[in-house]
Amino acid sequence: EVQLVESGGGLVQPGGSLRLSCAGSGFTFSTYSMSWVRQAPGKGLEWLSYISGSSNTIYYADSVKGRFTISRDNAKNSLYLQMSSLRDEDTAVYYCAREKFGTLGYWGQGTLVTVSS
Amino acid sequence: DVMMTQSPLSLPVTLGQPASISCRSSQGLVYSDGDTYLNWFQQRPGQSPRRLIYKVSNRDSGVPDRFSGSGSGTDFTLKINRVEAEDVGVYYCMQGTHWPPTFGQGTKVEIK
Repeated sequence: EVQLVESGGGLVQPGGSLRLSCAGSGFTFSTYSMSWVRQAPGKGLEWLSYISGSSNTIYYADSVKGRFTISRDNAKNSLYLQMSSLRDEDTAVYYCAREKFGTLGYWGQGTLVTVSS
Repeated sequence: DVMMTQSPLSLPVTLGQPASISCRSSQGLVYSDGDTYLNWFQQRPGQSPRRLIYKVSNRDSGVPDRFSGSGSGTDFTLKINRVEAEDVGVYYCMQGTHWPPTFGQGTKVEIK
């Protein structure tokens, strides 16, 4: 069974940093691209970042480019999102999702990030 | 970016009655390989999104056959044959043909 489990969320002050993790199991992690998607409270879904299985290809949404860094450690079956220069508008539930071209087939349960002073 | 526009944004439905959600894209969604990467997701209250439909009309494993997807080009539809109580939630379309992937605003399905 495919499982994705996010962790690392919490309360952080504006301008601060946080690192999210996503542990994958039930599939060969290194062979799948992965993405991060977020959902602000009461709002819709926003794709944030993509990383290929080998980490050779990485993309970011304009809203987080230069502030967020996606990475992965295939030996640990883990995906990461390093977030810096956090703003109030980054408050959201952050989901990791398994990519296959053109779709997001499996999602984690999400981890809540709250940016507030 | 490709804009995905859903309608209606709120859909009250009587149990056992059909429901239909429209999703329109600002550009055609046929990829160079001939496939159309249009997906539908269901998000029940308090849960993470779950994919129901991929490539317009392919149902995911475990998805009841009362859910169906159709459409082409820029116009797509998700239909629920007979709404059940467990179908309450928000439904999102998402295109994966053009970079970056983009989602519709969501359609909230509730029971009358």
